[in-house]
Amino acid sequence: QVQLVESGGGLVKPGGSLRLSCAASGFAFSDNYLSWIRQAPGKGLDCISYISGSGNSIYYADSVKGRFTISRDNAKNSLYLQMNSLRAEDTAVYYCATENGGFCSSTSCPLAWGQGTLVTVSS
Amino acid sequence: QSVLTQPPSVSGAPGQRVTISCTGNSSNIGARYDVHWYQQLPGTAPKLLIYGTSNRPSGVPDRFSGSKSGTSASLAISGLQAEDEADYYCQSYDISLSGSTVFGGGTKLTVL
Repeated sequence: QVQLVESGGGLVKPGGSLRLSCAASGFAFSDNYLSWIRQAPGKGLDCISYISGSGNSIYYADSVKGRFTISRDNAKNSLYLQMNSLRAEDTAVYYCATENGGFCSSTSCPLAWGQGTLVTVSS
Repeated sequence: QSVLTQPPSVSGAPGQRVTISCTGNSSNIGARYDVHWYQQLPGTAPKLLIYGTSNRPSGVPDRFSGSKSGTSASLAISGLQAEDEADYYCQSYDISLSGSTVFGGGTKLTVL
């Protein structure tokens, strides 16, 4: 059973940095794409970054490109998000997510989610 | 602005049937990617409700059903119950965004 546990959230001032971590278990970690998805207060879900199993394929949404860096350590079954130059609009719950392999169709897989970690950017 | 379009809210009385639409384009739903649906209660992570457009994980009541046609998908909830009051999100993938996951903006279901 897929388990994802995020950590590292907290209160940070505008312009500051924060590093989120996601500890994973219950699946073949190095085979799976992993994503960071955020949800601003009262808003919808937004995939801001993903990384392939090998780490060779990486995507960033325009809203975080150049400020955030996604990485993974397959030996530690861990995913990371380094967030620099944080802005008030980055305030959100950040979820770690991966393909929910037990429910894949021929064209795509739904997501399995962690419980999320809250990042608040405020002076 | 979300890539997939959902109505912001829907409502219905207990026992009634409601539908939630999810409209995309030729780069996502129309590119034959399946659609997945999630239910989100306040303060919790999204829970998988429908996968592969029309399949239910075990434990999800058969009151919930999904369908797709062209560039749109729908979630139907029949026999509305008070505990169905939640936010609902559709999810797919988009080839124009390097295969990234895309979501609808979410629909708040109110049970009157």
